[in-house]
Amino acid sequence: DAGVTQSPTHLIKTRGQQVTLRCSPISGHKSVSWYQQVLGQGPQFIFQYYEKEERGRGNFPDRFSARQFPNYSSELNVNALLLGDSALYLCASSYLAGGSTDTQYFGPGTRLTVL
Amino acid sequence: AQTVTQSQPEMSVQEAETVTLSCTYDTSENNYYLFWYKQPPSRQMILVIRQEAYKQQNATENRFSVNLQKAAKSFSLKISDSQLGDTAMYFCAFMVPGNTPLVFGKGTRLSVIA
Repeated sequence: DAGVTQSPTHLIKTRGQQVTLRCSPISGHKSVSWYQQVLGQGPQFIFQYYEKEERGRGNFPDRFSARQFPNYSSELNVNALLLGDSALYLCASSYLAGGSTDTQYFGPGTRLTVL
Repeated sequence: AQTVTQSQPEMSVQEAETVTLSCTYDTSENNYYLFWYKQPPSRQMILVIRQEAYKQQNATENRFSVNLQKAAKSFSLKISDSQLGDTAMYFCAFMVPGNTPLVFGKGTRLSVIA
């Protein structure tokens, strides 16, 4: 079975631009979470979606938004990019029905560089 | 709020030897899960092992085992018979069951030396 997929792999943008990152969860998984990982740090939670509804939001500005589609894929949008938004953006999926199904499995990430 | 602390920024181990990575966490919850994830230079975050706090028995996955000490809020990872492919960043993570996010530590960079 295919794991979590993310696109694009790498992205270079300039300050002030907007970016959209995409994620497809493992087949059958209904929850997608987004994390930001800056160099040398652990991932920080941005959003979690379950059944197309936002279930949690981390401490990120309103420039960050996301949505989940009927097929459970998800997009993360970042507006008005800042240099500090340069990071690895990780998507994780889970079935989220309790017990071991809460375990999150990660995609390969999208490396965003803001110049 | 939950916090996870990894106090060893870097560690190294000889191939075939055993190494233990440390993690402490802080929470007021009684029911929670703890994880170790591995992130090699390819950057894909890979689940190594999972432990439910309510389970008495510590989890084991092949060469990887954990030691959960709930009173001390300590969760260590032991890697036996270390292999070159174990070279990676290792992250300890905490989660409360349900729709809550993972909380990660800052990671430990492990180098396995031939």
